[in-house]
Amino acid sequence: SYELTQPPSVSVSPGQTASITCSGDKLGDKYACWYQQKPGQSPVLVIYQDSKRPSGIPERFSGSNSGNTATLTISGTQAMDEAVYYCQAWDSSSVVFGGGTKLTVL
Amino acid sequence: QVQLQESGPGLVKPSETLSLTCAVSGYSISSGYYWGWIRQPPGKGLEWIGSIYHSGSTYYNPSLKSRVTISVDTSKNQFSLKLSSVTAADTAVHYCAREAHGSGSYYNDYWGQGTLVTVSS
Repeated sequence: SYELTQPPSVSVSPGQTASITCSGDKLGDKYACWYQQKPGQSPVLVIYQDSKRPSGIPERFSGSNSGNTATLTISGTQAMDEAVYYCQAWDSSSVVFGGGTKLTVL
Repeated sequence: QVQLQESGPGLVKPSETLSLTCAVSGYSISSGYYWGWIRQPPGKGLEWIGSIYHSGSTYYNPSLKSRVTISVDTSKNQFSLKLSSVTAADTAVHYCAREAHGSGSYYNDYWGQGTLVTVSS
């Protein structure tokens, strides 16, 4: 079965750029999307089709996908961006989630 | 504004069947999109359970396929999940979500608030 691998945690200082990676075999040949989940809340879609932002998502969120790695980039990270981020892709008629990355803003 | 609301028992006994319903408002299920279920064990990550189209076409997680049934009731604008032979490992917050799905692209753009189902005797 297909697997997506994320680092368990990433730390960033306020105002700096955070990058969260998601790795999978030939992931660049598929579409990746990203969700933000804060404690006690439902996930929120922040990036879809590799790099598109849904309405209402700040411009500081961006995405890319090439080779075996998709990357979520948060520019000018704010304290409110502290959350767990999950990548997701579709493979062989099945949905796969990455294990999640806890982003700490300190 | 699309809204989804899960409902169902919060406690299920081992070996019994977990049943949940997702009521959709602000959008007609018959108009398109897939509709799915995702679960999250306490303190853990997200796991896709399966999806259904208004026509009844379904996709299931291979690891759960033998125990899962997802159905749709377009007259009530809702869809449902049944998971049989549950164990403590099935304890999780269960989310329903709308799925945009096609040409290799997949994402969930609207989610319910989630409902915790605990499997315990």
